[in-house]
Amino acid sequence: DAMVIQNPRYQVTQFGKPVTLSCSQTLNHNVMYWYQQKSSQAPKLLFHYYDKDFNNEADTPDNFQSRRPNTSFCFLDIRSPGLGDAAMYLCATSRGPRQIYEQYFGPGTRLTVT
Amino acid sequence: GESVGLHLPTLSVQEGDNSIINCAYSNSASDYFIWYKQESGKGPQFIIDIRSNMDKRQGQRVTVLLNKTVKHLSLQIAATQPGDSAVYFCAEKAHFNNDMRFGAGTRLTVKP
Repeated sequence: DAMVIQNPRYQVTQFGKPVTLSCSQTLNHNVMYWYQQKSSQAPKLLFHYYDKDFNNEADTPDNFQSRRPNTSFCFLDIRSPGLGDAAMYLCATSRGPRQIYEQYFGPGTRLTVT
Repeated sequence: GESVGLHLPTLSVQEGDNSIINCAYSNSASDYFIWYKQESGKGPQFIIDIRSNMDKRQGQRVTVLLNKTVKHLSLQIAATQPGDSAVYFCAEKAHFNNDMRFGAGTRLTVKP
């Protein structure tokens, strides 16, 4: 039944050691999003893909990259994690571009940086 | 570790009472609004949405009210239950882009 799947649910990485978080969807949605959510804060959009078209938010650090090899999968790469990157990372999908469609969220990956 | 976050506004209600959670939005171009519920350790879960051509929409035990004049959105939960305890976020979106912006969130605690 899971529609947006995130792996792993918990990830521990060392300061400066690259890490990749993954997201997959069974909804066949065109748009996939990555959000960062810190404790007691609202989710903050990092970037999204409309099909293969990548859209970066202006204030997303260069340290964060993303890949979408196909419709179902999207990856978040953090090239050199800092202590401030510890957060919950949420993946979401929506059906179409520039339309009023709700977003479906995965359960999130909690990243700890040691 | 994580940086210290802001303290969320908190609403505490007695089980069975009605709850009202408020949200102010900033973008006049936003024409679609959504309320999400987020339980601890989980992703946000869709509750109800409303388009800007409406001022009220009802679901099961929930009602969303939209006041575009003052850019205000509210979520009313009838007969609040312990399972309603969570953080509630409003989100706004304009139809011409894919970006959805979340509001600050309110932590709802339901006392038995």
